[in-house]
Amino acid sequence: DIQMTQSPSSLSASVGDRVTITCRASQSMSRYLNWYQQKPGKAPKLLIFGASSLQSGVPSRFSGSGSGTDFTLTISSLQVEDFATYYCLQSYSIPWTFGQGTKVEIK
Amino acid sequence: EVQLVQSGAELRKPGESLKISCKGSGYSFTSFWLAWVRQMPGKGLEWMGIIYPGDSETRYSPSFQGQVTFSADKSISTAYLQWSGLKASDTAMYYCARQDVATDSLYIWGQGTMVTVSS
Repeated sequence: DIQMTQSPSSLSASVGDRVTITCRASQSMSRYLNWYQQKPGKAPKLLIFGASSLQSGVPSRFSGSGSGTDFTLTISSLQVEDFATYYCLQSYSIPWTFGQGTKVEIK
Repeated sequence: EVQLVQSGAELRKPGESLKISCKGSGYSFTSFWLAWVRQMPGKGLEWMGIIYPGDSETRYSPSFQGQVTFSADKSISTAYLQWSGLKASDTAMYYCARQDVATDSLYIWGQGTMVTVSS
């Protein structure tokens, strides 16, 4: 199984800050990496697929990069509605595996 | 509108059986793999496995193999997740999600079914 190590597990940031979350895979997986946002009591929402492709309707302040084993989600200017938990998901091989999550909190 | 609608919250006792459902609409239900995802209280997301409703082929995560069973009734566009002997540790929110081949992602999600196992 591919293990996904996501960091940090939590962070505090202010509105307008640039935020970076990383996921590292235990083996190379090309660009089969998705990023999700989850708010309390809600289902996850797809933000990024294929490591860097922005899902339709997702604000352009979200971006993804990386390939192989190292991936990054960046929020260029954090907005109030972005306070949530973020997860990466590898879709390279079964079983698909999620990172442990990063909770983005208000500073 | 493409959507997945899951059955309502369940409260069961340890050892009881349970089957929860996920009904698809707005798309060809038999043409897309459907995943099940567990989220224990206050914890992260766990990919349990997938089912292809067209022929009911299944693939389980090793962590869930033998613990749960996936099934589907394509005549009513519904997939199921079932347990034959629930444990307290099965208490969680369970989501179904449609796998998109073009993007290799889980794009359409159900609203989740909360399962509580308590004596």
